[in-house]
Amino acid sequence: DIVMTQSPDSLAVSLGERATINCKSSQSVFYSAYNKYSLAWYQQKPGHPPKLLIYWASTRESGVPDRFSGSGSETDFTLTISSLQAEDVAVYYCQQYSNTPFTFGQGTRLEIK
Amino acid sequence: QVQLVQSGAEVKKPGASVKVSCKASGNTFISFALHWVRQAPGQRLEWMGWITAGNNHTKYSQKFQGRVTITRDTSASTTYMELSSLRYEDTALYYCAGGLAGHFWGQGTLVTVSS
Repeated sequence: DIVMTQSPDSLAVSLGERATINCKSSQSVFYSAYNKYSLAWYQQKPGHPPKLLIYWASTRESGVPDRFSGSGSETDFTLTISSLQAEDVAVYYCQQYSNTPFTFGQGTRLEIK
Repeated sequence: QVQLVQSGAEVKKPGASVKVSCKASGNTFISFALHWVRQAPGQRLEWMGWITAGNNHTKYSQKFQGRVTITRDTSASTTYMELSSLRYEDTALYYCAGGLAGHFWGQGTLVTVSS
Protein backbone atom coordinates (compact mmCIF):
# COMPACT_ATOMS: atom_id res chain seq x y z
CA ASP A 1 0.00 0.00 0.00
CA ILE A 2 1.10 3.58 -0.66
CA VAL A 3 1.63 5.38 2.64
CA MET A 4 0.66 9.05 2.72
CA THR A 5 2.31 11.22 5.36
CA GLN A 6 1.27 14.80 6.00
CA SER A 7 3.17 17.52 7.80
CA PRO A 8 2.62 19.21 10.09
CA ASP A 9 -0.05 17.40 12.13
CA SER A 10 -1.41 20.77 13.22
CA LEU A 11 -0.86 24.34 12.15
CA ALA A 12 -1.86 27.75 13.53
CA VAL A 13 -1.79 30.68 11.12
CA SER A 14 -2.88 34.29 11.48
CA LEU A 15 -5.82 35.56 9.46
CA GLY A 16 -4.66 36.80 6.08
CA GLU A 17 -1.39 34.88 6.24
CA ARG A 18 -0.29 31.92 4.12
CA ALA A 19 -0.83 28.33 5.24
CA THR A 20 1.15 25.47 3.74
CA ILE A 21 0.46 21.77 4.24
CA ASN A 22 2.74 19.06 2.88
CA CYS A 23 1.97 15.52 1.79
CA LYS A 24 4.53 12.86 0.98
CA SER A 25 3.76 9.51 -0.64
CA SER A 26 5.86 6.39 -0.18
CA GLN A 27 6.02 5.94 -3.97
CA SER A 28 5.13 7.97 -7.03
CA VAL A 29 1.41 8.58 -7.57
CA PHE A 30 1.79 9.20 -11.29
CA TYR A 31 -1.19 7.73 -13.14
CA SER A 32 0.11 6.84 -16.59
CA ALA A 33 -3.35 6.35 -18.13
CA TYR A 34 -4.11 10.03 -17.51
CA ASN A 35 -0.48 11.31 -17.60
CA LYS A 36 -1.15 13.11 -14.33
CA TYR A 37 -0.45 12.83 -10.62
CA SER A 38 -3.38 11.23 -8.83
CA LEU A 39 -3.35 13.37 -5.70
CA ALA A 40 -6.37 15.00 -4.12
CA TRP A 41 -6.82 17.42 -1.21
CA TYR A 42 -9.92 17.54 0.97
CA GLN A 43 -11.22 19.87 3.64
CA GLN A 44 -13.31 18.44 6.47
CA LYS A 45 -15.20 20.50 9.03
CA PRO A 46 -16.74 18.95 12.18
CA GLY A 47 -19.95 17.08 11.49
CA HIS A 48 -19.51 17.25 7.71
CA PRO A 49 -18.17 14.91 5.04
CA PRO A 50 -14.90 15.79 3.34
CA LYS A 51 -15.06 18.38 0.57
CA LEU A 52 -12.84 18.04 -2.49
CA LEU A 53 -10.60 21.07 -2.98
CA ILE A 54 -7.92 19.94 -5.45
CA TYR A 55 -7.52 16.91 -7.74
CA TRP A 56 -4.83 15.83 -10.21
CA ALA A 57 -2.49 17.54 -7.72
CA SER A 58 -3.24 21.06 -8.94
CA THR A 59 -6.72 21.26 -10.48
CA ARG A 60 -9.09 23.29 -8.33
CA GLU A 61 -12.58 21.84 -7.95
CA SER A 62 -15.40 24.01 -9.28
CA GLY A 63 -16.53 26.56 -6.70
CA VAL A 64 -13.37 26.35 -4.55
CA PRO A 65 -11.91 29.82 -3.84
CA ASP A 66 -8.72 30.61 -5.73
CA ARG A 67 -6.80 31.16 -2.48
CA PHE A 68 -6.51 27.34 -2.42
CA SER A 69 -3.84 25.90 -4.68
CA GLY A 70 -2.06 22.58 -5.07
CA SER A 71 1.39 21.80 -6.38
CA GLY A 72 3.99 19.08 -6.47
CA SER A 73 5.07 15.99 -8.36
CA GLU A 74 6.23 12.40 -7.92
CA THR A 75 6.08 11.93 -4.14
CA ASP A 76 5.95 15.46 -2.72
CA PHE A 77 2.87 17.65 -2.79
CA THR A 78 1.72 20.88 -1.17
CA LEU A 79 -1.59 22.55 -0.43
CA THR A 80 -1.32 26.30 -0.05
CA ILE A 81 -3.93 28.70 1.27
CA SER A 82 -2.67 32.08 0.18
CA SER A 83 -4.61 34.25 2.64
CA LEU A 84 -6.23 32.41 5.53
CA GLN A 85 -9.87 33.14 6.23
CA ALA A 86 -11.79 32.23 9.38
CA GLU A 87 -13.92 29.72 7.44
CA ASP A 88 -10.78 27.76 6.48
CA VAL A 89 -10.48 26.31 9.99
CA ALA A 90 -10.75 22.57 9.34
CA VAL A 91 -8.83 19.32 9.01
CA TYR A 92 -7.17 18.82 5.64
CA TYR A 93 -6.42 15.43 4.08
CA CYS A 94 -4.45 14.36 1.06
CA GLN A 95 -5.33 11.17 -0.83
CA GLN A 96 -3.68 9.23 -3.61
CA TYR A 97 -5.89 7.54 -6.19
CA SER A 98 -3.27 6.00 -8.45
CA ASN A 99 -3.15 2.56 -6.82
CA THR A 100 -5.74 0.74 -4.74
CA PRO A 101 -6.22 0.98 -1.83
CA PHE A 102 -6.62 4.74 -2.35
CA THR A 103 -4.94 5.82 0.87
CA PHE A 104 -5.30 9.06 2.85
CA GLY A 105 -2.87 11.04 4.91
CA GLN A 106 -3.42 11.32 8.66
CA GLY A 107 -4.82 14.82 8.39
CA THR A 108 -3.57 18.30 9.30
CA ARG A 109 -5.59 20.41 11.72
CA LEU A 110 -5.55 24.09 10.71
CA GLU A 111 -6.41 26.74 13.30
CA ILE A 112 -6.29 30.49 13.63
CA LYS A 113 -3.37 31.95 15.57
CA GLN B 1 -24.72 18.18 -10.17
CA VAL B 2 -25.11 14.89 -8.32
CA GLN B 3 -26.28 14.49 -4.74
CA LEU B 4 -25.71 11.33 -2.72
CA VAL B 5 -28.10 10.43 0.11
CA GLN B 6 -27.21 7.59 2.45
CA SER B 7 -29.40 5.39 4.62
CA GLY B 8 -29.81 6.00 8.33
CA ALA B 9 -27.76 5.07 11.37
CA GLU B 10 -27.46 1.41 12.34
CA VAL B 11 -26.71 -0.41 15.58
CA LYS B 12 -25.50 -3.98 15.18
CA LYS B 13 -24.18 -6.75 17.41
CA PRO B 14 -20.73 -8.24 16.93
CA GLY B 15 -20.76 -10.90 14.21
CA ALA B 16 -23.76 -9.40 12.40
CA SER B 17 -23.80 -7.73 8.97
CA VAL B 18 -24.81 -4.22 7.94
CA LYS B 19 -25.88 -2.95 4.53
CA VAL B 20 -25.66 0.78 3.84
CA SER B 21 -27.23 2.37 0.78
CA CYS B 22 -26.21 5.45 -1.21
CA LYS B 23 -28.79 6.89 -3.59
CA ALA B 24 -27.81 9.33 -6.30
CA SER B 25 -30.06 12.14 -7.47
CA GLY B 26 -29.57 14.94 -9.94
CA ASN B 27 -27.52 14.16 -13.06
CA THR B 28 -27.75 10.43 -12.48
CA PHE B 29 -27.48 9.68 -16.18
CA ILE B 30 -23.80 10.41 -15.71
CA SER B 31 -22.02 7.16 -14.96
CA PHE B 32 -19.47 7.56 -12.21
CA ALA B 33 -17.29 5.47 -9.97
CA LEU B 34 -18.38 5.23 -6.37
CA HIS B 35 -16.12 4.73 -3.37
CA TRP B 36 -16.84 3.71 0.21
CA VAL B 37 -14.73 5.41 2.87
CA ARG B 38 -15.01 5.09 6.62
CA GLN B 39 -13.89 7.24 9.52
CA ALA B 40 -13.59 5.78 12.98
CA PRO B 41 -13.68 8.23 15.91
CA GLY B 42 -10.51 10.34 15.89
CA GLN B 43 -9.02 8.35 13.01
CA ARG B 44 -8.01 9.19 9.47
CA LEU B 45 -10.24 8.49 6.50
CA GLU B 46 -9.97 4.88 5.35
CA TRP B 47 -10.77 3.74 1.81
CA MET B 48 -12.69 0.46 1.76
CA GLY B 49 -13.36 -0.16 -1.91
CA TRP B 50 -15.10 1.05 -5.04
CA ILE B 51 -17.30 0.14 -7.94
CA THR B 52 -16.24 1.58 -11.26
CA ALA B 53 -18.40 3.36 -13.83
CA GLY B 54 -19.68 1.48 -16.85
CA ASN B 55 -18.60 -2.11 -16.26
CA ASN B 56 -19.35 -2.07 -12.48
CA HIS B 57 -16.04 -3.66 -11.65
CA THR B 58 -15.34 -3.78 -7.90
CA LYS B 59 -12.06 -3.56 -6.03
CA TYR B 60 -11.65 -3.82 -2.28
CA SER B 61 -8.97 -2.93 0.19
CA GLN B 62 -7.14 -6.06 1.29
CA LYS B 63 -8.00 -5.08 4.87
CA PHE B 64 -11.68 -5.72 4.19
CA GLN B 65 -11.37 -8.47 1.58
CA GLY B 66 -13.88 -11.23 2.26
CA ARG B 67 -16.00 -9.02 4.55
CA VAL B 68 -17.13 -6.20 2.25
CA THR B 69 -19.33 -6.32 -0.83
CA ILE B 70 -20.23 -3.32 -2.99
CA THR B 71 -23.13 -3.62 -5.43
CA ARG B 72 -25.00 -1.23 -7.67
CA ASP B 73 -28.65 -1.13 -8.74
CA THR B 74 -28.46 1.12 -11.78
CA SER B 75 -32.25 1.25 -12.23
CA ALA B 76 -32.60 2.65 -8.69
CA SER B 77 -29.49 4.89 -8.92
CA THR B 78 -28.40 3.24 -5.68
CA THR B 79 -25.15 1.67 -4.57
CA TYR B 80 -24.83 -0.60 -1.54
CA MET B 81 -22.01 -1.52 0.80
CA GLU B 82 -22.40 -4.60 2.95
CA LEU B 83 -19.92 -5.34 5.72
CA SER B 84 -20.13 -8.72 7.45
CA SER B 85 -18.69 -10.29 10.61
CA LEU B 86 -18.85 -6.94 12.37
CA ARG B 87 -16.38 -6.20 15.16
CA TYR B 88 -16.39 -3.45 17.78
CA GLU B 89 -13.64 -1.66 15.82
CA ASP B 90 -15.97 -1.36 12.81
CA THR B 91 -17.84 1.36 14.70
CA ALA B 92 -17.43 4.34 12.38
CA LEU B 93 -19.02 6.84 10.03
CA TYR B 94 -19.33 5.28 6.59
CA TYR B 95 -19.35 7.57 3.55
CA CYS B 96 -19.99 7.02 -0.12
CA ALA B 97 -18.14 9.32 -2.52
CA GLY B 98 -18.54 9.68 -6.28
CA GLY B 99 -16.03 10.30 -9.04
CA LEU B 100 -12.47 9.10 -9.58
CA ALA B 101 -11.46 11.60 -6.92
CA GLY B 102 -14.24 12.14 -4.39
CA HIS B 103 -16.04 14.98 -6.16
CA PHE B 104 -19.28 14.51 -4.23
CA TRP B 105 -20.02 12.78 -0.94
CA GLY B 106 -22.95 11.36 0.95
CA GLN B 107 -23.78 12.73 4.38
CA GLY B 108 -22.39 9.67 6.16
CA THR B 109 -24.00 6.74 7.98
CA LEU B 110 -23.04 5.98 11.56
CA VAL B 111 -22.64 2.26 12.20
CA THR B 112 -22.30 1.32 15.86
CA VAL B 113 -21.24 -2.19 16.82
CA SER B 114 -22.33 -2.92 20.36
CA SER B 115 -23.45 -5.91 22.36
